[in-house]
Amino acid sequence: QKEVEQNSGPLSVPEGAIASLNCTYSDRGSQSFFWYRQYSGKSPELIMSIYSNGDKEDGRFTAQLNKASQYVSLLIRDSQPSDSATYLCAVRVSGSARQLTFGSGTQLTVLP
Amino acid sequence: DVKVTQSSRYLVKRTGEKVFLECVQDMDHENMFWYRQDPGLGLRLIYFSYDVKMKEKGDIPEGYSVSREKKERFSLILESASTNQTSMYLCASREGQVYNEQFFGPGTRLTVL
Repeated sequence: QKEVEQNSGPLSVPEGAIASLNCTYSDRGSQSFFWYRQYSGKSPELIMSIYSNGDKEDGRFTAQLNKASQYVSLLIRDSQPSDSATYLCAVRVSGSARQLTFGSGTQLTVLP
Repeated sequence: DVKVTQSSRYLVKRTGEKVFLECVQDMDHENMFWYRQDPGLGLRLIYFSYDVKMKEKGDIPEGYSVSREKKERFSLILESASTNQTSMYLCASREGQVYNEQFFGPGTRLTVL
């Protein structure tokens, strides 16, 4: 079983809709969770981090963490075509103080 | 402005060649990382370094080595390139703890023929 799993997609949503991206992790001791966005042909960039159970909002983005169920999600409200990218979930698993484990990413397409 | 640079965007090498990939960061970060990215497999950590001359193996170190002689530079070495090392290689750097953002370079697309 992979440590960090994401649905590879592709996920398509119409412009203005809410895009929901999900990530599950296997290590119950995982502490820190990150969402990176990667445009085609570009390198990843951090968009959200979350460390505590619950929701964290930043503009149109909301990260949700549920440690009991071992999942973290990213909601994008009012999706725009410019949100079309691959979204990578990254987790600091227990026993890895310095490094992150990345999921394989979910490709999102926002249709105009 | 934060900057991580990699020596080449595209590289084509022959099987058996020794390959050097260079990464330089200008942010005085302690931590530097080498990943490879393959379709369906995501980012996989090859090696990382948390200080000059210090290195730790990541998830897939076989066939690779690294060198960090100066804080700003982290090199990935393929001792004898093989076709299964054809991939996108991404370097990243980070200041301090894992809570901080990792900044990625533009990537090197390596093709081994």
